[in-house]
Formats: sequence, structure tokens, C-alpha cells
Amino acid sequence: DAGVIQSPRHEVTEMGQEVTLRCKPISGHNSLFWYRQTMMRGLELLIYFNNNVPIDDSGMPEDRFSAKMPNASFSTLKIQPSEPRDSAVYFCASSSGQFTGELFFGEGSRLTVL
Amino acid sequence: AQSVAQPEDQVNVAEGNPLTVKCTYSVSGNPYLFWYVQYPNRGLQFLLKYITGDNLVKGSYGFEAEFNKSQTSFHLKKPSALVSDSALYFCAVRGPLNAGNMLTFGGGTRLMVKP
Repeated sequence: DAGVIQSPRHEVTEMGQEVTLRCKPISGHNSLFWYRQTMMRGLELLIYFNNNVPIDDSGMPEDRFSAKMPNASFSTLKIQPSEPRDSAVYFCASSSGQFTGELFFGEGSRLTVL
Repeated sequence: AQSVAQPEDQVNVAEGNPLTVKCTYSVSGNPYLFWYVQYPNRGLQFLLKYITGDNLVKGSYGFEAEFNKSQTSFHLKKPSALVSDSALYFCAVRGPLNAGNMLTFGGGTRLMVKP
């Protein structure tokens, strides 16, 4: 079975540019999570969707960040404009709707903003 | 608010020796606790969980964890470490009630197993 698929795996961009990260969750999963990992701050939850609806976006750093889930098989995380402090690895994870505590993570998108 | 703490940034152990990676938690209500592992350049993988029942929980790759309510701890253990166990380990707690599978992760502990 295909796992969670993220793209791009690596992105290098210049400050001020728009960045779009993409995620395809596991088929049949109806919860989707975006996490950010940095050395300084560890693993932070940015936003959580359930049935394509954002449930908790309290972790989104600021208005420069936005996330959408137009359907059950696709989500995007957009940063506009990007800043060097946004450099991090961004993970998407999905899970079934039932509580199991088991999240399935993608391989991550490593973003470098110069 | 719920939280987990991993007091050690790194744990070093020799291959074949037992290992322990520590985790303490703070939650209101029943604790739902988890361990995940991250290998280099990969996403996190689920190892094991405590929901209810026996305080000793067994998981993947020979790992187990001991839930201790009085000490609010959930330490990860393995009787005999392998070099291939070297990775980053995260303890996690479930988010607020009705938050589905939303988890709050600790800062992570790097496990180094030396031959």
C-alpha cells in the first residue's frame, strides 16, 4: 500500500517567494496533520483536518501560512512570503477517524529559505 | 494542557545492553501515551501505545514501555540494544478530549547504540 506521499522532498527558495507543499494521505484516512520539525523547536503541530475541515490551526505561526484540504486525497501547506526562519522539515501525517493514536507520516519536505 | 517531557537529549548504550529512554507526562484525565521512532531522513513511525490495561506495553522491534501512574512516566525500554536501534525517539500524548488522533510530541531523544 502506498503511504503518505509528500512533495517536493526538497525545496530551496529565496526569501519572499511563495512555497507550496503538497500531501496525499493514505486512502480511507480522514484525519490529516501538518507538522514542522526544527532543531530548535522540535516537532510542532501546525494544523489538523478532520473530514477535510480544519479543526485546530492554533499552531499555524502567522498569516503567512495557510493550509487547505479541498478533498479527501489532497492537502497543501502554503507559505507566502517565505522567510529564512521558515526553513524546516514539514511533515504530513494521516490517520483513520477512529482514535488509535497511530499517525502515518510522510517522508517530509525539507524547505530551505535563503 | 497536556505535555510530555523527554529529559535526555541523547542516550548512549553499547550493543547488547539494555536501554531506557525516559518520558514523563502531564495530562488532565486519563493519559493516552505513545512512542514513535524516526530514522534519518524519514518520517516518524509508530512503535507502541498505552491506552488502558497492563502497565507494560509491548511494541514493534522488541521495544516495550512501562506506564507508571504515580510517577507520571512512560519510559521506553529494550532488553538488548541493536546498532540498528540508533534513531530519534519521540514520546507523545493525546491532545484534548475529542481531538481525535491529534498528538503532542516531546522534544525527542537521540539513541546511539555503539558496537
